[in-house]
Amino acid sequence: DVKVTQSSRYLVKRTGEKVFLECVQDMDHENMFWYRQDPGLGLRLIYFSYDVKMKEKGDIPEGYSVSREKKERFSLILESASTNQTSMYLCASTPLEAGELFFGEGSRLTVL
Amino acid sequence: RKEVEQDPGPFNVPEGATVAFNCTYSNSASQSFFWYRQDCRKEPKLLMSVYSSGNEDGRFTAQLNRASQYISLLIRDSKLSDSATYLCVVNMNTGFQKLVFGTGTRLLVSP
Repeated sequence: DVKVTQSSRYLVKRTGEKVFLECVQDMDHENMFWYRQDPGLGLRLIYFSYDVKMKEKGDIPEGYSVSREKKERFSLILESASTNQTSMYLCASTPLEAGELFFGEGSRLTVL
Repeated sequence: RKEVEQDPGPFNVPEGATVAFNCTYSNSASQSFFWYRQDCRKEPKLLMSVYSSGNEDGRFTAQLNRASQYISLLIRDSKLSDSATYLCVVNMNTGFQKLVFGTGTRLLVSP
């Protein structure tokens, strides 16, 4: 079975703190994604990566950066967390351009 | 107009009922369509892809209507375990993997 693992299920941070969210997949997928999910807004794409060291902005990249140094790992970084970044963050991977997305369990971040 | 729109529900139905959800999309050039299921506080998981000819998987049937730009999901003989949020996902094909998610339709199946 495909396994996408997110490092933290629940985090509480303070405004201005730097936050790292890590995602690891074990199926050698080329493509990885970071979404955030908010009530009434659905899933929105923050960044995606189709290869090691490659990254592309999604629909809402402001306030975020990403890192993909190894194929299996895709990290989301909040340089200076703000309260409006309180959300559920979901990592996903897929081996194909339009294939099934496999999601991690999500990381629920609260910024105080 | 939103790129992908769904009725948020909730749809409350008794066990054994048939229920249908629709999802409309704005980009007529969209090529790929999917239904994902998301349980409360869990990650989304693919339920089924939606093909031009429609497709069926057990109690679930998905249809695509390109002329009216919507997809549908029909669930027959609803089970308690079908209670979840159903997400409509459309690949807008405006670039690499431009998947747009609807906000979901919540289904509650009661005994």
